[in-house]
Amino acid sequence: QQQVRQSPQSLTVWEGETAILNCSYEDSTFNYFPWYQQFPGEGPALLISIRSVSDKKEDGRFTIFFNKREKKLSLHITDSQPGDSATYFCAALSANYGNEKITFGAGTKLTIKP
Amino acid sequence: GALVYQYPRRTICKSGTSMRMECQAVGFQATSVAWYRQSPQKTFELIALSTVNSAIKYEQNFTQEKFPISHPNLSFSSMTVLNAYLEDRGLYLCGARDTSGNTLYFGEGSRLIVV
Repeated sequence: QQQVRQSPQSLTVWEGETAILNCSYEDSTFNYFPWYQQFPGEGPALLISIRSVSDKKEDGRFTIFFNKREKKLSLHITDSQPGDSATYFCAALSANYGNEKITFGAGTKLTIKP
Repeated sequence: GALVYQYPRRTICKSGTSMRMECQAVGFQATSVAWYRQSPQKTFELIALSTVNSAIKYEQNFTQEKFPISHPNLSFSSMTVLNAYLEDRGLYLCGARDTSGNTLYFGEGSRLIVV
């Protein structure tokens, strides 16, 4: 059973455009959602995160929009750059597990064309 | 800032031999360390969760006999893959959690190649 779903599986946008990566979840106890960025051959790096009490989190060109009622969130990358090309993972932590267990989505591979 | 170092970055080992990997948290106290394996398809499998001074919790399909873990202090953990075979191939990731309990920082990973 896939607890965290990401779409699309892959996404290509032109440089300067806004890339929108989607994530949805099923477990209503999830209360913290980090997004990780992973380049080929490297480990995932924490990019930005949001708690379920917020509906928006912004950090530079990266913004998370969170809809608790619909159990959906999205990562917006504005003014996208070729260096943003990577795989992005949406993840979730549940209070039920004492926030110990992190559940990952399958990832969205983002390609920015110059 | 918080950093997690993993080494070796890559190991090629013969089928049936073992590989040990290490994880070092720098700049923060890692209250717990989670070991993951990332498959070639990029999916993450949690192997075990280790908290200092507590028993290590292994996930289903992973055992201490196969993946023994040492976690002696708040900045260091190691894991060994014993008797590695083809199905053990992948990128092994160490995720260290800071004292806030939420943020999980990953190392660069230790890639295991079995021949």
